[in-house]
Amino acid sequence: DAKTTQPTSMDCAEGRAANLPCNHSTISGNEYVYWYRQIHSQGPQYIIHGLKNNETNEMASLIITEDRKSSTLILPHATLRDTAVYYCIVSSRYGQNFVFGPGTRLSVLP
Amino acid sequence: DADVTQTPRNRITKTGKRIMLECSQTKGHDRMYWYRQDPGLGLRLIYYSFDVKDINKGEISDGYSVSRQAQAKFSLSLESAIPNQTALYFCATSDSPGQGTDTQYFGPGTRLTVL
Repeated sequence: DAKTTQPTSMDCAEGRAANLPCNHSTISGNEYVYWYRQIHSQGPQYIIHGLKNNETNEMASLIITEDRKSSTLILPHATLRDTAVYYCIVSSRYGQNFVFGPGTRLSVLP
Repeated sequence: DADVTQTPRNRITKTGKRIMLECSQTKGHDRMYWYRQDPGLGLRLIYYSFDVKDINKGEISDGYSVSRQAQAKFSLSLESAIPNQTALYFCATSDSPGQGTDTQYFGPGTRLTVL
């Protein structure tokens, strides 16, 4: 599975959009981009995933570049409860495991 | 996720003791996983199982064993616990290929301390 690179930390003002980038330049054609987050020491929580097209759900939007080498997770109106570590993961549809790197620690500030 | 439960939630034990961590799921998924997380780091895969008869080692299986008692139950054992196995342990489940993507759903975790 391809590796990902994320910034170590980011800050965002409450109510503003949080844009979390991820680079995955070695992604292959059958690999999906997944985003999870972990609040404190709780179990990671699934946010969204995509293959080629941009995706949106009730939690977030995922923007994948046309060449699929990078993506951005967008939390449209960040709240204090969105403070967490966000993990970007690339995995094939039938991959046997996810590789969780250190992720991005997002701090939403009042 | 309430559909994936782990017991115990916290455990303190001594070096050399045998420990079992249990995971149960009501999502009807075939695949189950065990991960560990050390402070400030991401999760690392210990073992995974694609069905009751299929058990596979992950990245860091040394010192651990697993048992898949049923589709819904996957246990992790530390045969002889050592202090560097002190960590957070997470169980996860996912659908089989053909049922959807490999989205994994995680339990709440077990905090294990080995003295």
